[in-house]
Amino acid sequence: AQSVTQLDSHVSVSEGTPVLLRCNYSSSYSPSLFWYVQHPNKGLQLLLKYTSAATLVKGINGFEAEFKKSETSFHLTKPSAHMSDAAEYFCVVSEDAGNMLTFGGGTRLMVKP
Amino acid sequence: DADVTQTPRNRITKTGKRIMLECSQTKGHDRMYWYRQDPGLGLQLIYYSFDVKDINKGEISDGYSVSRQAQAKFSLSLESAIPNQTALYFCATSDSSGVNYNEQFFGPGTRLTVL
Repeated sequence: AQSVTQLDSHVSVSEGTPVLLRCNYSSSYSPSLFWYVQHPNKGLQLLLKYTSAATLVKGINGFEAEFKKSETSFHLTKPSAHMSDAAEYFCVVSEDAGNMLTFGGGTRLMVKP
Repeated sequence: DADVTQTPRNRITKTGKRIMLECSQTKGHDRMYWYRQDPGLGLQLIYYSFDVKDINKGEISDGYSVSRQAQAKFSLSLESAIPNQTALYFCATSDSSGVNYNEQFFGPGTRLTVL
């Protein structure tokens, strides 16, 4: 069975400072991992995905994530936060290349001016 | 994503009423999904369909039913709505082949309130 734990329900940063959103997963197989972003009153948008290629994955809007199998982690980072990054972020795991997704509980990112 | 549309966007209804949420897509994808989102729980899968003749239950299918009327249309029904079905509902699609075969594309969501 697969599961995802997002370690922080809320993260607050100042504009221009680094962002770290933490995610740990559990999977019986070699998983695919995703980060989705949800802006207020919007649907979900894919930020990036890991599918057993390079362990450091670059996504849209300057975000990246590193797959660490030994730590079962897939943390999302960005060097410098922007006000427009304020949103809810979901870490997602799939054991079948993305057809069946299991979502984490979400992390709400707040960016202070 | 404008290619996946959901109607209605907002709905308020009363306990015991039958409700249908509709999803349409112009992406040409074969797979479609219904999720519900509750605060702090992420999204949970209600039903999914890998093609027109294929319907499968997800994690939380009790109290819901679906219909795949065509490749582009996937409806979710609440036969007798109850207050704990108040949530944000998302439809998603994916393509079983092609470059983005492992990516799901989400609609804008339907906010349902059951009084």
